[in-house]
Amino acid sequence: EPEVTQTPSHQVTQMGQEVILRCVPISNHLYFYWYRQILGQKVEFLVSFYNNEISEKSEIFDDQFSVERPDGSNFTLKIRSTKLEDSAMYFCASSIRTSGNNEQFFGPGTRLTVL
Amino acid sequence: DAKTTQPPSMDCAEGRAANLPCNHSTISGNEYVYWYRQIHSQGPQYIIHGLKNNETNEMASLIITEDRKSSTLILPHATLRDTAVYYCIVRVFWMDSSYKLIFGSGTRLLVRP
Repeated sequence: EPEVTQTPSHQVTQMGQEVILRCVPISNHLYFYWYRQILGQKVEFLVSFYNNEISEKSEIFDDQFSVERPDGSNFTLKIRSTKLEDSAMYFCASSIRTSGNNEQFFGPGTRLTVL
Repeated sequence: DAKTTQPPSMDCAEGRAANLPCNHSTISGNEYVYWYRQIHSQGPQYIIHGLKNNETNEMASLIITEDRKSSTLILPHATLRDTAVYYCIVRVFWMDSSYKLIFGSGTRLLVRP
């Protein structure tokens, strides 16, 4: 069964460093998303992406964040200068353009730890 | 999007049905009810969704009241692997469009051996 994959599973970085989180969505999906979950808190929407541009973003997704689909398979989230409060699980999701179900399929997540 | 209310926690015995309620009294006519779950710290997993008719798939059944102000997710024979946080989400569904999921606190279901 096709699935969303994410790498790395765990990323440790120093405050102020740039990180890139990578995702490979399901191959025939067209809509891509990033969510995050701070330990013990709710899953929060960050951004949605379609047709090579951001379709919606939350207040969390400020200028420090960017997303890119550099090729036909990868979808990345970059944090330019990490802060301690960026420590969280980051989930990538994708969904298909269809007349039926439009559920989002989530990846296993990347745990980002900012020291 | 309409707000949902769920009990913070529930438990049930393994092999029994788990009935998870959700209140969405402000739901509007074009809003669907979605259910996802999150097992430990894994990515959320889609379970089922519906508009006004009851729905069933291989994972669960969704019962939506006639006035659509509440719904119940039923896991007919809960197993230990069903222990998770279950989220009820109400969302407008537009064909061929992206949409964000707004997760609440959900219901933490504990399935007891």
